[in-house]
Amino acid sequence: AQTVTQSQPEMSVQEAETVTLSCTYDTSENNYYLFWYKQPPSRQMILVIRQEAYKQQNATENRFSVNFQKAAKSFSLKISDSQLGDTAMYFCAFRFETSGSRLTFGEGTQLTVNP
Amino acid sequence: NAGVTQTPKFQVLKTGQSMTLQCAQDMNHNSMYWYRQDPGMGLRLIYYSASEGTTDKGEVPNGYNVSRLNKREFSLRLESAAPSQTSVYFCASRAGANTGELFFGEGSRLTVL
Repeated sequence: AQTVTQSQPEMSVQEAETVTLSCTYDTSENNYYLFWYKQPPSRQMILVIRQEAYKQQNATENRFSVNFQKAAKSFSLKISDSQLGDTAMYFCAFRFETSGSRLTFGEGTQLTVNP
Repeated sequence: NAGVTQTPKFQVLKTGQSMTLQCAQDMNHNSMYWYRQDPGMGLRLIYYSASEGTTDKGEVPNGYNVSRLNKREFSLRLESAAPSQTSVYFCASRAGANTGELFFGEGSRLTVL
């Protein structure tokens, strides 16, 4: 079975600092797709960044970047220059080829950015 | 840009009552999903529809039924609500591309007393 684990239920960071959120997974597949979603207090789910497992280069979107370690089955999200608006629940998610079109989500990490 | 629209946004039910959550997307996406979100458990898939005319069970289908009415609409029905179904429900859709992300509705908070 494919599993996704976020071991940090809560994290906090000071404004303008850098924070890294962890995500690990277990699969025997070689091809899959990885995502980080953000859920602010408004409850809306927003895609932050995505990564294809076959790509060696780590994805970057402005202040957000990932550290994808395929052999270690690790997919962490780094937020640089944290802003108050980054306060949200963050979910990592995977789409495995054998699961068709379904996405599997981790448990989530609540990030609080302090002024 | 409507995206994914789900109704109602809030609902309170008594145990044993039935209700239907409605979802519609205007992005011509093939796949649609219903997830539930509970504290500490992330999002769990209830049912999904990979294309019009097909539906499949997810991780937690018991107590729910779905209908893919057409390409745009995917409804979730609770026939006899139970307190364990108190949750926030999200509808989502996805285009057919391999890297396609999910687009989510705003969620529906359901309380079963």
